[in-house]
Amino acid sequence: AQSVTQPDIHITVSEGASLELRCNYSYGATPYLFWYVQSPGQGLQLLLKYFSGDTLVQGIKGFEAEFKRSQSSFNLRKPSVHWSDAAEYFCAVDVYNNNDMRFGAGTRLTVKP
Amino acid sequence: NAGVTQTPKFQVLKTGQSMTLQCAQDMNHEYMSWYRQDPGMGLRLIHYSVGAGITDQGEVPNGYNVSRSTTEDFPLRLLSAAPSQTSVYFCASSYTGRTDQETQYFGPGTRLLVL
Repeated sequence: AQSVTQPDIHITVSEGASLELRCNYSYGATPYLFWYVQSPGQGLQLLLKYFSGDTLVQGIKGFEAEFKRSQSSFNLRKPSVHWSDAAEYFCAVDVYNNNDMRFGAGTRLTVKP
Repeated sequence: NAGVTQTPKFQVLKTGQSMTLQCAQDMNHEYMSWYRQDPGMGLRLIHYSVGAGITDQGEVPNGYNVSRSTTEDFPLRLLSAAPSQTSVYFCASSYTGRTDQETQYFGPGTRLLVL
């Protein structure tokens, strides 16, 4: 079945530690790939997106993501987490380039002082 | 430039009641859409519109109606609310709906509780 999987429901990291959030997709073709962040009570904000080309994508707020075709993955990383990064993170795909996006279930990030 | 606005922020309904969730954008975007967000499921597309007078169904359209009489507004109607429609609803918009060309903007959400 076609799906977007975020294996980790909740992750806790210490402030200043590195972060990696996992995302896997299962679609026939490589879709357009996205990471969004949602702070409590807020809408979604786009962190970064991948369409083609360089498989390492830089985003806002110091985030980056790496597309690995062989693993059907698009993992989000940040070298040093700040307390303000505590939020929910969603991986999403757009298969047909028409904003009909399919989202993963989300990973909630807690940052310890 | 207010972006994408949604009203109300929170609503409680009784089963069988009807209501309309409002969404407006002032960016002259042609493409607008509605999502619902449920715990453990991420966002799912309900309906979308590629311009005034044109709407189509998304992944989970049952129980919802939409219309698009103006570019700015895209209301979502629940004709007979059910507890299964308890969710957080997000409206989004973009110029063309082409993901490779632009970013989709999301509103702050409407939290709906159906008793």
